[in-house]
Amino acid sequence: AQSVTQLDSQVPVFEEAPVELRCNYSSSVSVYLFWYVQYPNQGLQLLLKYLSGSTLVKGINGFEAEFNKSQTSFHLRKPSVHISDTAEYFCAVCRPSQGNLIFGKGTKLSVKP
Amino acid sequence: DTGVSQDPRHKITKRGQNVTFRCDPISEHNRLYWYRQTLGQGPEFLTYFQNEAQLEKSRLLSDRFSAERPKGSFSTLEIQRTEQGDSAMYLCASSHRDRASEAFFGQGTRLTVV
Repeated sequence: AQSVTQLDSQVPVFEEAPVELRCNYSSSVSVYLFWYVQYPNQGLQLLLKYLSGSTLVKGINGFEAEFNKSQTSFHLRKPSVHISDTAEYFCAVCRPSQGNLIFGKGTKLSVKP
Repeated sequence: DTGVSQDPRHKITKRGQNVTFRCDPISEHNRLYWYRQTLGQGPEFLTYFQNEAQLEKSRLLSDRFSAERPKGSFSTLEIQRTEQGDSAMYLCASSHRDRASEAFFGQGTRLTVV
């Protein structure tokens, strides 16, 4: 079975500061890794995904994440955040043969002016 | 392509009533998923279809829940004899079989059971 742990439930940060949202996963098989963003009362939007290849993945809105197999981590980073990045961020995994995602509990990013 | 569409967006029902939600996936997406998201939690997988076949069901999907995708296009999720614990956001997602890793989510149906 797979599981995802998001280490911080809330991350407050000032505008234009860098941010890192942490994600660790557990799986006995290879998995695909994802980050999704959810704005209030909305569905989820895919930010980026790691399937294979380069461990540094770039996504939309200036976000990037690095897959670290030895540490079973997939942390999300942005060098300079905007007020509009305020949202909840979810890390997720799935087995390559399946499409059903297993999500972490989410991290609420709050960007302050 | 208008994305994944869910209807209704909000539903308030009395405990014990039955409710049905609809999901219209992106056209030509043959995989369709249902998730449930409760307050403060990430989405939890409920079930998924490939075309009209329901291929997997989570243990979260009690016998009060049933999902259908009769013609391999839209899907319905029915909850019978609703309980207060069923209050949640119900999310639908779809993906193309050849790109199963890229799921697109609808905006969800928020169910409140009073």
